[in-house]
Amino acid sequence: ILNVEQSPQSLHVQEGDSTNFTCSFPSSNFYALHWYRWETAKSPEALFVMTLNGDEKKKGRISATLNTKEGYSYLYIKGSQPEDSATYLCASGSGGYNKLIFGAGTRLAVHP
Amino acid sequence: DADVTQTPRNRITKTGKRIMLECSQTKGHDRMYWYRQDPGLGLQLIYYSFDVKDINKGEISDGYSVSRQAQAKFSLSLESAIPNQTALYFCATSDHRLAGINEQFFGPGTRLTVL
Repeated sequence: ILNVEQSPQSLHVQEGDSTNFTCSFPSSNFYALHWYRWETAKSPEALFVMTLNGDEKKKGRISATLNTKEGYSYLYIKGSQPEDSATYLCASGSGGYNKLIFGAGTRLAVHP
Repeated sequence: DADVTQTPRNRITKTGKRIMLECSQTKGHDRMYWYRQDPGLGLQLIYYSFDVKDINKGEISDGYSVSRQAQAKFSLSLESAIPNQTALYFCATSDHRLAGINEQFFGPGTRLTVL
């Protein structure tokens, strides 16, 4: 059974701070790593899906990196804004079964 | 209009009652999933379906059943609800043509409380 770990569990930052959090996953049988952004009372939405070792993806002020050999991914937010406040979920995909194993998430609060 | 909808959005029920949660999608995706989310835990897969009439158990299927009678609909039933099934339930869809990527699209969630 895959085990996906995220750290920290929660994070409080001031507006304008840059921040990052970690997702670790088993590196064997790796297929894809997903990051989702989940705002309270809304649906989780995909931020990035990464498949290649060394992959980096960027969307505005948010970026992510992937290391499949050591089994970790970092999510970076540059110049955090209050609207970035959300829970960020990562999930490891096993293509053979097409199921995602989710971490517990990092809850980010950005204070004005 | 939302692509993935869930009804009801909130439900309070009593132990022993039968409950059905509905999920509908207009994305034309063939794959659908039911997850539950508990505080401090990740989304846990209950059941998934790759096509009409195809049903597969996830990690925590005990106490639940599902039905996939049409491509656009996937319903989750709790035959006899118990308090530890109190949770937030999400439905999700994905497209088999992107199986290697498997980006999933989520509904807004159903908050279920079992007293």
